[in-house]
Amino acid sequence: EAGVTQFPSHSVIEKGQTVTLRCDPISGHDNLYWYRRVMGKEIKFLLHFVKESKQDESGMPNNRFLAERTGGTYSTLKVQPAELEDSGVYFCASSQLLNSPLHFGNGTRLTVT
Amino acid sequence: GENVEQHPSTLSVQEGDSAVIKCTYSDSASNYFPWYKQELGKGPQLIIDIRSNVGEKKDQRIAVTLNKTAKHFSLHITETQPEDSAVYFCAASTGGFKTIFGAGTRLFVKA
Repeated sequence: EAGVTQFPSHSVIEKGQTVTLRCDPISGHDNLYWYRRVMGKEIKFLLHFVKESKQDESGMPNNRFLAERTGGTYSTLKVQPAELEDSGVYFCASSQLLNSPLHFGNGTRLTVT
Repeated sequence: GENVEQHPSTLSVQEGDSAVIKCTYSDSASNYFPWYKQELGKGPQLIIDIRSNVGEKKDQRIAVTLNKTAKHFSLHITETQPEDSAVYFCAASTGGFKTIFGAGTRLFVKA
């Protein structure tokens, strides 16, 4: 089976610009998660979709971040406008069931200059 | 809020020696404890997990122990090999929707 894929792998943008990250989960996985790791720190939860519905978005830093999962398939995470502190690696993960292992993508390394 | 503390942040061992990584969680309702290994340029990959109804689980050279009373769990890697070098993350989940991760341990195995 194909794994979780994320695009792009790297993105360098200037402060104030907009960036959209994409995640394609494993086919059949209803649960899709976004996480972020800032240099040397923990992998921090951002939000969780069940199919197309946002189940928990308590980890979203602020309203500059917008996540969507149209049709319950792939998901996008938009940052607009980007700030310096948004730099980090954004991971997407999917799982078939709740409380089951997460399958991670390779991440998108975002650098805001 | 919930958090997971992980130690050490960096660990260097000689090939063939054992490596131990320790984690402490705060939410007593946590009942699922996975461990992930992240290699350079890749996402975290599950290597072993344990649920709260058992105290120990082993898979070849890797073992995990859980002490629910103390809210501690640990990863043990025996007979380490250079390919074990990576960043390891512990995590805890309450069976709901959110998995909380530790800050990671960078393991170096010297040949």
